[in-house]
Amino acid sequence: KQEVTQIPAALSVPEGENLVLNCSFTDSAIYNLQWFRQDPGKGLTSLLLIQSSQREQTSGRLNASLDKSSGRSTLYIAASQPGDSATYLCAPRDKGTYKYIFGTGTRLKVLA
Amino acid sequence: KAGVTQTPRYLIKTRGQQVTLSCSPISGHRSVSWYQQTPGQGLQFLFEYFSETQRNKGNFPGRFSGRQFSNSRSEMNVSTLELGDSALYLCASGTGEQNEKLFFGSGTQLSVL
Repeated sequence: KQEVTQIPAALSVPEGENLVLNCSFTDSAIYNLQWFRQDPGKGLTSLLLIQSSQREQTSGRLNASLDKSSGRSTLYIAASQPGDSATYLCAPRDKGTYKYIFGTGTRLKVLA
Repeated sequence: KAGVTQTPRYLIKTRGQQVTLSCSPISGHRSVSWYQQTPGQGLQFLFEYFSETQRNKGNFPGRFSGRQFSNSRSEMNVSTLELGDSALYLCASGTGEQNEKLFFGSGTQLSVL
């Protein structure tokens, strides 16, 4: 059964810092992995999708990497801003069940 | 283009009642999936519909059911509500393909008293 862990659970940093959020999953048989952002009481916004054959994806200040064989993905946020404050969730799409399995997220607070 | 629309935004019900939630996906998307989000359990998958057929199902009791119409709009129904059903219910729309991006609605916040 696919299990997804995100570390750290919460993070508070001053504005301008570069950040790394970690996601690990137990079964490497995945189609892809998505990173999402969620603001309090709102839905999720897809940030990046990495297909299983890819190593990384970039969008603006965000860069996500995938090491499928070791069951790890990282989301790198460059030059963090207060507007980046949100919960970040990763979700690999499991090949066995075809489901996206969500981690419990990293709650990020960027201080001005 | 318009995003994913969920109605209602907030709902208050009492134990034993039933509730129906609605989700309109992005135009052209044929897949709608539903999730329950609670502080303790995080995001839990309920079910997915693709072209009016349930394609996938999570581990929820039979009180939770859904359907999808020919225009891809989907409804989710919960019967005999329990206090533990209080949660944010999110729907996500996608193309239904293997490497689809998911687009989420803002959710329905259900409170069961």
